[in-house]
Amino acid sequence: GIQVEQSPPDLILQEGANSTLRCNFSDSVNNLQWFHQNPWGQLINLFYIPSGTKQNGRLSATTVATERYSLLYISSSQTTDSGVYFCGEGTYKYIFGTGTRLKVLA
Amino acid sequence: DAGVIQSPRHEVTEMGQEVTLRCKPISGHNSLFWYRQTMMRGLELLIYFNNNVPIDDSGMPEDRFSAKMPNASFSTLKIQPSEPRDSAVYFCASSLAGDTQYFGPGTRLTVL
Repeated sequence: GIQVEQSPPDLILQEGANSTLRCNFSDSVNNLQWFHQNPWGQLINLFYIPSGTKQNGRLSATTVATERYSLLYISSSQTTDSGVYFCGEGTYKYIFGTGTRLKVLA
Repeated sequence: DAGVIQSPRHEVTEMGQEVTLRCKPISGHNSLFWYRQTMMRGLELLIYFNNNVPIDDSGMPEDRFSAKMPNASFSTLKIQPSEPRDSAVYFCASSLAGDTQYFGPGTRLTVL
């Protein structure tokens, strides 16, 4: 089945820094979402982005389906951005990566 | 909309007991998913319903797990009998026509 790899596994940033998180897929992209799991365990939908680029405030995402990867950009990071970022891909059943654990220091 | 609603938020039970988790999807959504999250296995899909019909239950661990969706606004995931290895966070998610999936707050299950 499809494999989803996320990098880096861990990231520590100073508040205000920018970062790029990556998701690689072993097969063609159908549906793709980025999620943020906050420290309370809630999974918050960030982007549904099977292709192209989207932006929402300080966050943006780009998926290059032909090259089987997606990127999540976080600019001017804040402590509230801390948590784990997951990408999920699939036709209907998502296969999730193992996540990138982000900690933003004040 | 209130989003996906799950109950209970926390459940502590003893091995061998029956556990029932409940989910109310977002109104108008026609797809419903049950996921389980553990440290060892990460996030994994247990079962997927479309228009109240189970489409894919290949992720259901074993016969102790069962899920139902009697109508478009309610689903249950039942574990009988429960075992300590079932301890996990169980998420319900819903979507419209396979588009963006919206997750509920999860149920944290602890089986002693």
